[in-house]
Amino acid sequence: KAGVTQTPRYLIKTRGQQVTLSCSPISGHRSVSWYQQTPGQGLQFLFEYFSETQRNKGNFPGRFSGRQFSNSRSEMNVSTLELGDSALYLCASSQGGGEDTQYFGPGTRLTVL
Amino acid sequence: GNSVTQMEGPVTLSEEAFLTINCTYTATGYPSLFWYVQYPGEGLQLLLKATKADDKGSNKGFEATYRKETTSFHLEKGSVQVSDSAVYFCAPDTGRRALTFGSGTRLQVQP
Repeated sequence: KAGVTQTPRYLIKTRGQQVTLSCSPISGHRSVSWYQQTPGQGLQFLFEYFSETQRNKGNFPGRFSGRQFSNSRSEMNVSTLELGDSALYLCASSQGGGEDTQYFGPGTRLTVL
Repeated sequence: GNSVTQMEGPVTLSEEAFLTINCTYTATGYPSLFWYVQYPGEGLQLLLKATKADDKGSNKGFEATYRKETTSFHLEKGSVQVSDSAVYFCAPDTGRRALTFGSGTRLQVQP
């Protein structure tokens, strides 16, 4: 079974631009969660989608948004990029019930100049 | 909210040494507990999990026991290898698919 895939793997943007990252979950998984990893803040939860609905949200500004499609693929969008948005963005998929296991993709490395 | 305290690294060991990485957590209820590992330049890989008190998760020689009374989930391995060099993260999940991660512990194994 193929794992979680994320595209692109690397991205360079400038301040003020917006960016869209994509995540394809493991086949059969209906939940996708997004995390931001930075040296200063570590790993922080952004949001989780299940059946095209956001079920849970972390403490990030509204510039961070996401969506999920009917095939469970998910995208996250960051508008008006700031230097501090430079990070590794990880998505994780799971079946979506209870305390099931999340499986992570390789991440998208975003650099904001 | 949930929080995790992991021992600070880096932890530097010689090959075949015994490894312990401490993890304690605070969480609502009785979460599932996970250890993930991150190799340089990669995402997170699930290492092991435990879902209830006294459960022992194990994988690739690593073990961790869910200790409800001390809210701990310490990671151990009897004999580390150079290939185990990575960053290890402890994380509870209270069922909302929003993992709370510790700061991570970097392990360096020298030949």
